[in-house]
Amino acid sequence: KQEVTQIPAALSVPEGENLVLNCSFTDSAIYNLQWFRQDPGKGLTSLLLIQSSQREQTSGRLNASLDKSSGRSTLYIAASQPGDSATYLCAVRRIGNKLVFGAGTILRVKS
Amino acid sequence: GAGVSQSPRYKVAKRGQDVALRCDPISGHVSLFWYQQALGQGPEFLTYFQNEAQLDKSGLPSDRFFAERPEGSVSTLKIQRTQQEDSAVYLCASSFQEGFQRTEAFFGQGTRLTVV
Repeated sequence: KQEVTQIPAALSVPEGENLVLNCSFTDSAIYNLQWFRQDPGKGLTSLLLIQSSQREQTSGRLNASLDKSSGRSTLYIAASQPGDSATYLCAVRRIGNKLVFGAGTILRVKS
Repeated sequence: GAGVSQSPRYKVAKRGQDVALRCDPISGHVSLFWYQQALGQGPEFLTYFQNEAQLDKSGLPSDRFFAERPEGSVSTLKIQRTQQEDSAVYLCASSFQEGFQRTEAFFGQGTRLTVV
């Protein structure tokens, strides 16, 4: 059974700091991995999608990497801003087309 | 519409009442998914449609939960005889099938169900 773990569970950093969020998964038989952002009381916003054949994807200040063989992905956020405060979720797409999610990392960026 | 639309945004139901939650996916998206998110947890898979066919309903927690997508567009998740443990946010997602590697899921705002 695929399990997804996100570390840390919560993170508080001062504005301007670079930070890394971690995601690990137990079964490397995945099609892709997606990072999402969730604001309180809201749905999920897709940030980045990495196909299983890719190593990384970049969008603005965000960079996500994927090491499928070791079952790890990281989300790097450069020059963090208070507006980045949210819960960040990673999810892997496995056989059967369903997404399996981690519990998320709650990020707070202090001004 | 521009995104996945869910209604209602909030629903309060008395224990034992039946509820129906609606999802309007992005136009042209073949795949539609329902997820359940408990407080402080990641979303958990409930069921998956490709067009009007329900291909996977393995995540539905009991036979009180039923989903349909009769014309391959709008979907309804129905919960009969609601219980307090059904209180959660119900999220709908849709995707355009481009091959599993490139398939990206887009989520709606969710429906927060509270059973009292």
